[in-house]
Amino acid sequence: DQQVKQNSPSLSVQEGRISILNCDYTNSMFDYFLWYKKYPAEGPTFLISISSIKDKNEDGRFTVFLNKSAKHLSLHIVPSQPGDSAVYFCAASSNQGAQKLVFGQGTRLTINP
Amino acid sequence: ETGVTQSPTHLIKTRGQQVTLRCSSQSGHNTVSWYQQALGQGPQFIFQYYREEENGRGNFPPRFSGLQFPNYSSELNVNALELDDSALYLCASSLRRAGLTDTQYFGPGTRLTVL
Repeated sequence: DQQVKQNSPSLSVQEGRISILNCDYTNSMFDYFLWYKKYPAEGPTFLISISSIKDKNEDGRFTVFLNKSAKHLSLHIVPSQPGDSAVYFCAASSNQGAQKLVFGQGTRLTINP
Repeated sequence: ETGVTQSPTHLIKTRGQQVTLRCSSQSGHNTVSWYQQALGQGPQFIFQYYREEENGRGNFPPRFSGLQFPNYSSELNVNALELDDSALYLCASSLRRAGLTDTQYFGPGTRLTVL
């Protein structure tokens, strides 16, 4: 049972344009959501997070939007830069218990010059 | 401030052997979580340690076990290795505070290959 889904395995965007990565979840107990970026041979790097009490959080070029009724979140990167090319993982957790992270399968973002 | 470190970087074992992976938490963090990432998949939660006790476990068999030490570093032990245990093992540390969900920060991982 995949509780967090990233339905696009890959995305290609031109440098300078907006990149939009999407994520859907099924567990209504999730109340904290995160995006991580991963380069080959490295661990995931934290990018940005959002609590379920908000619907938007912004940090520089990165903005995360949360639509609780649709159980959907998205990460917007603008403008996209070549260094943004990586695999992006969406993750969700609940404030109950171990607060384990449940990850999606990842989306490989490629920024073309 | 030192980030999360893991050792070794790579490891090759044969089926049936046992392995120990190590993790040092980021300074100021008191919680360690372990994840397994198979090729092409997102990380899967193995277990979490807080105050030297297991504080939640994912869908992994008992041959996966762990420890957390007083300095908050941690070990992951896997007994009776199987071919499917080949994966990237990630350690993440965080600061657990009552009523708050805190960001987990990951180490670079240990790549385990079981032959």
